[in-house]
Amino acid sequence: EAGVVQSPRYKIIEKKQPVAFWCNPISGHNTLYWYRQNLGQGPELLIRYENEEAVDDSQLPKDRFSAERLKGVDSTLKIQPAELGDSAVYLCASSLVATQPDEQYFGPGTRLTVT
Amino acid sequence: AQSVAQPEDQVNVAEGNPLTVKCTYSVSGNPYLFWYVQYPNRGLQFLLKYITGDNLVKGSYGFEAEFNKSQTSFHLKKPSALVSDSALYFCAVRDIRGGSYIPTFGRGTSLIVHP
Repeated sequence: EAGVVQSPRYKIIEKKQPVAFWCNPISGHNTLYWYRQNLGQGPELLIRYENEEAVDDSQLPKDRFSAERLKGVDSTLKIQPAELGDSAVYLCASSLVATQPDEQYFGPGTRLTVT
Repeated sequence: AQSVAQPEDQVNVAEGNPLTVKCTYSVSGNPYLFWYVQYPNRGLQFLLKYITGDNLVKGSYGFEAEFNKSQTSFHLKKPSALVSDSALYFCAVRDIRGGSYIPTFGRGTSLIVHP
């Protein structure tokens, strides 16, 4: 079974530039999560999807961050414009059903460096 | 509100010795508790979870964790550490009450197993 796939693995951009991250969850997983992990910290949720619907997006900085999950499968997280403080690892995770205490399966993450 | 604390930034143990990585939590209701491990340049991997029932939970790679409700703790343990266990370990909690489907992660504990 293929795991959660993320791309790119690394991205270096200058501040004020846009950037996008892509995630393909495990097949059949209805729930998809985007997390941000700062150095020395645990993951912090940005947004959760149930199929195509975005729920639990209160931590997403909506002035510069946007996300979509078309057709309830792949998802894209975008930052425009990026700021220095956005440097972090962006993790995508998926789980079968959020209402159950299922474990989440994480992708390898995208390490973003904003200069 | 839910929170989790990992009081140790780093744990050092000799190979073959038992190891313990500490985690305490705070929830208003009953908790779902999880442990994840993160190897360098890789996403988090699920180790084990506590939902209900037996307070001692067994997971992957010989790890186990003990749920202690009175002390609000969920310490991760292994009887005999391996050098390959060296990694970053994250405890996470989810409050059953209130319909939250989002786990809160601790800051992580770096486990270093010396040969």
